Amino acid sequence: EAGVTQFPSHSVIEKGQTVTLRCDPISGHDNLYWYRRVMGKEIKFLLHFVKESKQDESGMPNNRFLAERTGGTYSTLKVQPAELEDSGVYFCASSQDRAGPFTDTQYFGPGTRLTVL
Amino acid sequence: GNSVTQMEGPVTLSEEAFLTINCTYTATGYPSLFWYVQYPGEGLQLLLKATKADDKGSNKGFEATYRKETTSFHLEKGSVQVSDSAVYFCALGEINDYKLSFGAGTTVTVRA
Repeated sequence: EAGVTQFPSHSVIEKGQTVTLRCDPISGHDNLYWYRRVMGKEIKFLLHFVKESKQDESGMPNNRFLAERTGGTYSTLKVQPAELEDSGVYFCASSQDRAGPFTDTQYFGPGTRLTVL
Repeated sequence: GNSVTQMEGPVTLSEEAFLTINCTYTATGYPSLFWYVQYPGEGLQLLLKATKADDKGSNKGFEATYRKETTSFHLEKGSVQVSDSAVYFCALGEINDYKLSFGAGTTVTVRA
């Protein structure tokens, strides 16, 4: 079974540019999450999809960040325009959670390292 | 709100040494507790978990016990190997909330 995949693995852009990160969850997982780790600090929750619907986007830092999940499959996270403080590693995770939170494990992808110059 | 504090690294050990990584938490409810590990070039993997007080999670020789009285979930391994070199994250999740709250991570390097 394929795991969670993320693309690209690395992205270097200049301040003011736009970047789109992609996450492909494990097939059949309805729950998809985005997290971010900035400057070696803690990993912070950004948002949670259930199928194509945003269940919780309380962690999104500001309106420069836009997440979508087309047809309840893959998800994209767009940063427009990027700022220096957006640099970090963006992780995607997915889970089935057939019977409620933490019944099933959140499986993480390898992350996308974003550097904004 | 919820928060997790884990010991700062980096930690460097020799093979067969004993490893402890301290983790304490603050939670509004009664959380489940996790240790995730990130090996070089890979994604986060669940190492072990515990869902209620006094539960012990274990995997790959690692253990952690959910201590409600001290709000702790320290990770231990009696004899580390070079292959245990990784970043270790302590995390918690509330029962009615899907998101995980993580600590800052501890980088562990095991030397042969």
